[in-house]
Amino acid sequence: QKEVEQNSGPLSVPEGAIASLNCTYSDRGSQSFFWYRQYSGKSPELIMFIYSNGDKEDGRFTAQLNKASQYVSLLIRDSQPSDSATYLCAVLHASGGSYIPTFGRGTSLIVHP
Amino acid sequence: NAGVTQTPKFQVLKTGQSMTLQCAQDMNHNSMYWYRQDPGMGLRLIYYSASEGTTDKGEVPNGYNVSRLNKREFSLRLESAAPSQTSVYFCASSVPYEQYFGPGTRLTVT
Repeated sequence: QKEVEQNSGPLSVPEGAIASLNCTYSDRGSQSFFWYRQYSGKSPELIMFIYSNGDKEDGRFTAQLNKASQYVSLLIRDSQPSDSATYLCAVLHASGGSYIPTFGRGTSLIVHP
Repeated sequence: NAGVTQTPKFQVLKTGQSMTLQCAQDMNHNSMYWYRQDPGMGLRLIYYSASEGTTDKGEVPNGYNVSRLNKREFSLRLESAAPSQTSVYFCASSVPYEQYFGPGTRLTVT
């Protein structure tokens, strides 16, 4: 069973601060990693993906990957109340010729004014 | 482009009833997925279809069947609904690995 672990939170940060969301995974052979944002009552939407070790930046979001430690994180700079949502980490693993995502349970982020 | 659409949005079933959840995508994606999401849980994969004509079981397939009708459509059927199947169901499609989700179907089984 491939596992993806996230702290359920909630993680509470003040507006303007950096929010740091973390995820660990069990399958050392995983190659692709994704972060999805899910607002309450809505469907998940993709915000970042990362395939290589190191950092990947997109606007206020930075994804960080460390395959040796089996760890992927998402940093949100200048956090806004509109960033308040659940963030889901997903890890892709090979299964019978296909690539299947396994999702973590998500971390709830609250950005307070 | 509508993206991924799902019908119905809400459904209430009695134990033992059957129903089919419909999903369609207009993005020409090969792969499609069905997930369920329960409170405090992440998304759990029920079935997936890597391409038209193929379907495979995911993590929680018991009590469900699927049909990949064509490249656009992927349906999920509950033959005999049980209260444990009360959940929110999401359909997704992907190219190649980034997933795009439909709005979900909220199903209650009484």
